[in-house]
Amino acid sequence: GENVEQHPSTLSVQEGDSAVIKCTYSDSASNYFPWYKQELGKRPQLIIDIRSNVGEKKDQRIAVTLNKTAKHFSLHITETQPEDSAVYFCAASRGSARQLTFGSGTQLTVLP
Amino acid sequence: KAGVTQTPRYLIKTRGQQVTLSCSPISGHRSVSWYQQTPGQGLQFLFEYFSETQRNKGNFPGRFSGRQFSNSRSEMNVSTLELGDSALYLCASSPWGSGGVVDTQYFGPGTRLTVL
Repeated sequence: GENVEQHPSTLSVQEGDSAVIKCTYSDSASNYFPWYKQELGKRPQLIIDIRSNVGEKKDQRIAVTLNKTAKHFSLHITETQPEDSAVYFCAASRGSARQLTFGSGTQLTVLP
Repeated sequence: KAGVTQTPRYLIKTRGQQVTLSCSPISGHRSVSWYQQTPGQGLQFLFEYFSETQRNKGNFPGRFSGRQFSNSRSEMNVSTLELGDSALYLCASSPWGSGGVVDTQYFGPGTRLTVL
């Protein structure tokens, strides 16, 4: 089955700096890659997603890039703010299956 | 639209008991997926239901089961509870797209199950 690896497990940045989280996946048939943000005690919330027919997608301060050949995708957050502090999960799925395989999560801390 | 709702939010059970968790999807969403979240194993897929049928199943023992009703609401059941079943159980709903396109999944707040 699919395996998703996520790095780093923890990341601390100064407010205003950029943060990058990277994920690799094993199943070359995977074609959908969402990123979720989970604050303590809250539900995971989708922040951005990308499909395999697109190489990059941007939404204000958040961007995701996908390299299908290398089977990796990355989340980029620019101009980080304290409210960006949370656990971020990458995930992958294939076909039309609503079966997400998640990475292990990255605890992002934005220091004021 | 109202978001995904789950009941109950918190549950305490003892080993050997069984438990039923409920999930109401976003209005108009027809697919419901269930996930287990633990500190050690992270987020793991349990199963997905659409049109009252289980479409996909994760690698969990048969003690974990679920069902979906005609109004798309879903329940999951865990029988013969074990200490290791303590977790946050999340459900996610999505519309049912066509042409093999995966739809976005929106998560509920979860049910925190503690097994003593």
